[in-house]
Amino acid sequence: DARVTQTPRHKVTEMGQEVTMRCQPILGHNTVFWYRQTMMQGLELLAYFRNRAPLDDSGMPKDRFSAEMPDATLATLKIQPSEPRDSAVYFCASGRTSRGNQPQHFGDGTRLSIL
Amino acid sequence: QKEVEQNSGPLSVPEGAIASLNCTYSDRVSQSFFWYRQYSGKSPELIMSIYSNCDKEDGRFTAQLNKASQYVSLLIRDSQPSDSATYLCAVIASGNTPLVFGKGTRLSVIA
Repeated sequence: DARVTQTPRHKVTEMGQEVTMRCQPILGHNTVFWYRQTMMQGLELLAYFRNRAPLDDSGMPKDRFSAEMPDATLATLKIQPSEPRDSAVYFCASGRTSRGNQPQHFGDGTRLSIL
Repeated sequence: QKEVEQNSGPLSVPEGAIASLNCTYSDRVSQSFFWYRQYSGKSPELIMSIYSNCDKEDGRFTAQLNKASQYVSLLIRDSQPSDSATYLCAVIASGNTPLVFGKGTRLSVIA
C-alpha cells in the first residue's frame, strides 16, 4: 500500500535548537497538509500546499515555524528556535483533489519533545 | 468559523454491543464527511467516507449522514475490544478546502 512517509519518527532536543521534519507524500497526491496534535487541542492544521504552492499557513506561529515544498516528493516543516510548548506529534497528510473531495491519508507522525 | 463537534467520551460499550458515535458540523455547505480511527500512539486511519444522505455500510461499520440536521454518525455493530480507539469526524466544505476535524470520541469496548 502507498504510504505517507515522515522522518524522523521521534525527536528530542533542547529549547532553542532548530528542528526539521520531513514528509514524502503518496505518489500522485497533489495536496500536502501539516498538522499538530496535542491532548488539549486535538488536531490543528498548521499549513497546506496544493501542487507545491502554499495555500494557507495561518495556523502556524510565523515567527518560528516555516513550511516549504521544494519538490513534489518532499515537504518540510521547520521550527527555529524551538520552545517546550512546541512538544507535540506532528502529522503530515496527503490527498488528491483532482477527483473531487478526496480524503487525506496520514503519515505515522513525528513525536517531538523540546526540553 | 467552521466547527465540527464530537462528544469526547469516553464511550464505554460491552463487547458485542452496538457503539454509536455522533458528530455535528456548523458549515451548511459541507460536501464530504469522513470517519478516522486513531489508536493510542498511532496516526489517524481513514475507515469510512460518506457524501450523500444515506446509510453507507462497510462490514461492521455503518455511516449515516443527515445534511438537513447537519450531523453524521458512525455505528459499529458487534463491537470488539480491538475497536477501542479514538474516532475522529472530519468534514470538507469543498474540494479546495482542507478537512476540519472534531476533537474525537474515545471508545472503550469492554470484554
